[in-house]
Amino acid sequence: DAGVTQSPTHLIKTRGQQVTLRCSPKSGHDTVSWYQQALGQGPQFIFQYYEEEERQRGNFPDRFSGHQFPNYSSELNVNALLLGDSALYLCASSSEGRGNQPQHFGDGTRLSIL
Amino acid sequence: QKEVEQNSGPLSVPEGAIASLNCTYSDRVSQSFFWYRQYSGKSPELIMSIYSNGDKEDGRFTAQLNKASQYVSLLIRDSQPSDSATYLCAVRYGSSNTGKLIFGQGTTLQVKP
Repeated sequence: DAGVTQSPTHLIKTRGQQVTLRCSPKSGHDTVSWYQQALGQGPQFIFQYYEEEERQRGNFPDRFSGHQFPNYSSELNVNALLLGDSALYLCASSSEGRGNQPQHFGDGTRLSIL
Repeated sequence: QKEVEQNSGPLSVPEGAIASLNCTYSDRVSQSFFWYRQYSGKSPELIMSIYSNGDKEDGRFTAQLNKASQYVSLLIRDSQPSDSATYLCAVRYGSSNTGKLIFGQGTTLQVKP
């Protein structure tokens, strides 16, 4: 039973560039949430996707956008990268129809901005 | 933004002792609470979830929830050096079963042999 998978593992970009991060949810899960975790901090919610639509959004600028595909996988796009975007980006999946369920995290993508 | 607060530590305990980790939250409507363990450089790993007032035990771990006091705790019995990690308290915002998680900044636990 595959867990949540994210790619790439590490990424180095320069300021102003754009980046796309990918996530495949755990088998049987249909909801994907993205979080940003800066060093020494807890994860911060970016947004959540369900049925290919953004359902909730945290306090992040429009430079952060996403997409969910029919197979429930998801992408996180960040435009006009800033030094402050350097962080661990975490994808978490859960199942909408299974009542009160926790979110399970992937291994994350570590993004470094030079 | 609702707030979840944890003491950042480090909390240092000797091997075999009980480690007690605490968390307070501000959203009275929240119904779901989680503890994640995060090793350095790794992603958070779910270790406990709790939805009702009282205690929930799983092996060496016990989660305690007091909604009236808006307080969640995690007890680790017979602490081992392998328990050394950052423990993140997470609260599901609002009453939804699928809402976003709000995390505390985490408590670093050090278990000394």
